Amino acid sequence: QLQLQESGPGLVKASETLSLICSVSGGSISSSSYYWDWIRQPPGKGLEWIGSVDYSGRTHYNPSLKGRVTMSGDMSKNQFSLTLTSVTAADTAVYWCARHRSRPYSGYDLGFDYWGQGTLVIVSS
Amino acid sequence: QSALTQPPSASGSPGQSVTISCTGTGNDIGTYKYVSWYQQHPGKAPKVLIYEVSERPSGVPDRFSGSKSGNTASLTVSGLQDEDEADYYCCSYAGSNNWVFGTGTKVTVL
Repeated sequence: QLQLQESGPGLVKASETLSLICSVSGGSISSSSYYWDWIRQPPGKGLEWIGSVDYSGRTHYNPSLKGRVTMSGDMSKNQFSLTLTSVTAADTAVYWCARHRSRPYSGYDLGFDYWGQGTLVIVSS
Repeated sequence: QSALTQPPSASGSPGQSVTISCTGTGNDIGTYKYVSWYQQHPGKAPKVLIYEVSERPSGVPDRFSGSKSGNTASLTVSGLQDEDEADYYCCSYAGSNNWVFGTGTKVTVL
């Protein structure tokens, strides 16, 4: 059974950099069938797609966060990561990592089918 | 890209049906068949209910169904049960490997 687990600091100071890692077990991030995504949810609010990385290291980011977000994958550790720079209080959220079984250009999208448990990151002033 | 628009709340009695709308634009829902729906209970990770507008993953009850017309997708929950009380989110492909979620709908079972 695939499992994803987020890890990283739960408290980040404003203007600094948020860094999270998602460790994947029970499956490999090197599969070409999936994207590996980050999604966040501010307290009491809705979901926001942050971005994705695939087996080749190709990344795609939400345009609203472009310039501040970087994602990468580490095949040797079966992990992928998220870095968000210049954080503000608006970046306070539960951050989820998820597997996205999707290849739109190949004609399929089965949705975000596996999720981590989520990690709350608070940006303090 | 702007969030897809969902009604903030919906409700129904046990056994009834409830339908949740998700309105986007011609740049997302109106163009692509890649609309999915998620159920989220408090403090839990979302769970995929519907993918590709109307397909159900294995294990999801057929009480959950999806459809799309123009720029609007819909999720119908038939035969409401107490455990269906949760938040529901739609998600659509928006082109260029970008994805957008809906604003979310809280479903209450009366």
